Amino acid sequence: QKEVEQNSGPLSVPEGAIASLNCTYSDRGSQSFFWYRQYSGKSPELIMFIYSNGDKEDGRFTAQLNKASQYVSLLIRDSQPSDSATYLCAIEQGDYKLSFGAGTTVTVRA
Amino acid sequence: DADVTQTPRNRITKTGKRIMLECSQTKGHDRMYWYRQDPGLGLRLIYYSFDVKDINKGEISDGYSVSRQAQAKFSLSLESAIPNQTALYFCATSAGEGEQETQYFGPGTRLLVL
Repeated sequence: QKEVEQNSGPLSVPEGAIASLNCTYSDRGSQSFFWYRQYSGKSPELIMFIYSNGDKEDGRFTAQLNKASQYVSLLIRDSQPSDSATYLCAIEQGDYKLSFGAGTTVTVRA
Repeated sequence: DADVTQTPRNRITKTGKRIMLECSQTKGHDRMYWYRQDPGLGLRLIYYSFDVKDINKGEISDGYSVSRQAQAKFSLSLESAIPNQTALYFCATSAGEGEQETQYFGPGTRLLVL
């Protein structure tokens, strides 16, 4: 079993809709969770960091963490064409290392 | 200027050649990382370093070596390049714990091994 699993996608949503991305992880000791966005041919850039159970909102993005169920999700509200990218979930694995999921590609249709 | 830079940005080499990818950062971070990215496989950790005297293997270190020349510089070498090392390589840095574990990535080096 991979340490970090993401819904494989691709995910296509109409402009203005909500995009929902999911990530599950295997290490119950993980404390820090990250969502990165990566445009095609570019480097990953941080969108959200979350470490407490519950929701964390930043603009149109909401991260949700449930440590008991070992999942973290990202909601993108009012999706825009500029949100079209691959979204990477990253989980702290101890020793300050991150394990990354394979990513979910999102396409927002105008 | 970018906080994390990588050189070269693109490289074509032949099987058996030794090549070096370089990474420099101006963020003042102690921790530096090298990843490779392949389609469908996400980012995989090759090596990481928490300071100049600390070098650690990641999940896929075979065929690679690194050098931490200074706090700001971390180089990745392919001792004898092979075609399955064709990939996009990223250098990253981080500062510390919790939210400071956030890793900041360089622009990447696209490597093609013929």
